[in-house]
This record gives sequence, C-alpha cells and structure tokens, in this order.
Amino acid sequence: GAVVSQHPSWVICKSGTSVKIECRSLDFQATTMFWYRQFPKQSLMLMATSNEGSKATYEQGVEKDKFLINHASLTLSTLTVTSAHPEDSSFYICSASHLGTLAGTGELFFGEGSRLTVL
Amino acid sequence: RKEVEQDPGPFNVPEGATVAFNCTYSNSASQSFFWYRQDCRKEPKLLMSVYSSGNEDGRFTAQLNRASQYISLLIRDSKLSDSATYLCVVSRTGNQFYFGTGTSLTVIP
Repeated sequence: GAVVSQHPSWVICKSGTSVKIECRSLDFQATTMFWYRQFPKQSLMLMATSNEGSKATYEQGVEKDKFLINHASLTLSTLTVTSAHPEDSSFYICSASHLGTLAGTGELFFGEGSRLTVL
Repeated sequence: RKEVEQDPGPFNVPEGATVAFNCTYSNSASQSFFWYRQDCRKEPKLLMSVYSSGNEDGRFTAQLNRASQYISLLIRDSKLSDSATYLCVVSRTGNQFYFGTGTSLTVIP
C-alpha cells in the first residue's frame, strides 16, 4: 500500500532554534499533504493543508510565520517550526491523500510522526 | 457544529466482550468514511473503510447509515491487543478530511 515517510522521528532542540520536519510520499504523488499536531492524550489537530506549488492553508489559530510549510514537489512537504519554544513540544504528524480509482474514495496515509522536544 | 462527533470514551471492556463505537457527521455531502486506529505515541493507521453496504473484516464490522449520518464500528471477541484509540474520519472530497476526537478503548484481562 501507499507509504508516507516522515523524518526525523525524534528531535530535541534548544529554545529559539528552528526545526525542519520532512514528509515524503514514497510510492505515489501527493498534491495535498496535511500537517497535524497532537499533544499527549489529546486528539489530532489539523494545523495546515499543504498544496504542491502554492501556499499552505492554515487552520484558525495556527501561526503561519511560526510554522512554515513548503510543498515544493509532489512527493515532499516540509514543516519548519521557527524559533521553537517549550510549548511547541508535541507530536507532529503528516499525512497524504492517495486517491483511489473512484473519485472521492481517497484515504489518508500517515507518516510515522515526529516527536519534538524543545528544552 | 463539528463536522464529526465521536464519543471519546474511555471504554473499558473485558476480554471477549463486544464493543461498538458510533460516530456522526454533519455534512450530507460527505463521500468517504474510514475508521483509523491509533496506538499510544504512534501515527494513525487505517483499520477499515466504511461502505454503504457495510463491511466486515474478521472481528470488525463497520456500517454506514447515510440517512441518519452516522457510521459505526463493532468489535467482537475483544482482544487485549485491540486497546487503542479509534478515530472516525470522514471525507468530503479526496482532499478534505474531518476527524472525530477518537474513542479510547482499553480491553481488560
């Protein structure tokens, strides 16, 4: 089946630094990828929808200047957490839609997630 | 109103029990429906798609009721390994996905 790979799995950084997380669709082209954040024991929260070749669409309350999203190719989207602070520590997950043979039957495939800890 | 409503639980059931989760969606234009399973500190993984005719995969049965706009997941003969969070996901198009908050299931020995 379709595979989405996310890197790095774990990252620990100092407060004030920037961290880049990559999300790749390995065996299919994804014009749209999604970025989520999940705090412990809470549900997934959609941060933004990443569109290949255009600007990302951010959900309400998500700072676009802090969470930079780049979707430069059909198989790669990146999320950069700029000037990270301890409150940005979270589990960040990407996903990509792989359309089935019928319109509207696409399902989501998730990356393995990236656990960010900001000291 | 939320796009997708799901009882967060938690559901604590003994091994061998049958447990059912329901999920309602607000937009009648929704086209595709899925149940995902998420283990602690892991990414969600597709458990099964949900079709109008209903579908079964071993101990798992999913059903869709378009008239009432809800989907369900039935787990029979619960195993300890079924303990996880079950996410209801609804898609309106191939690029719009809406998540429920997830239902936590713990199967007790």
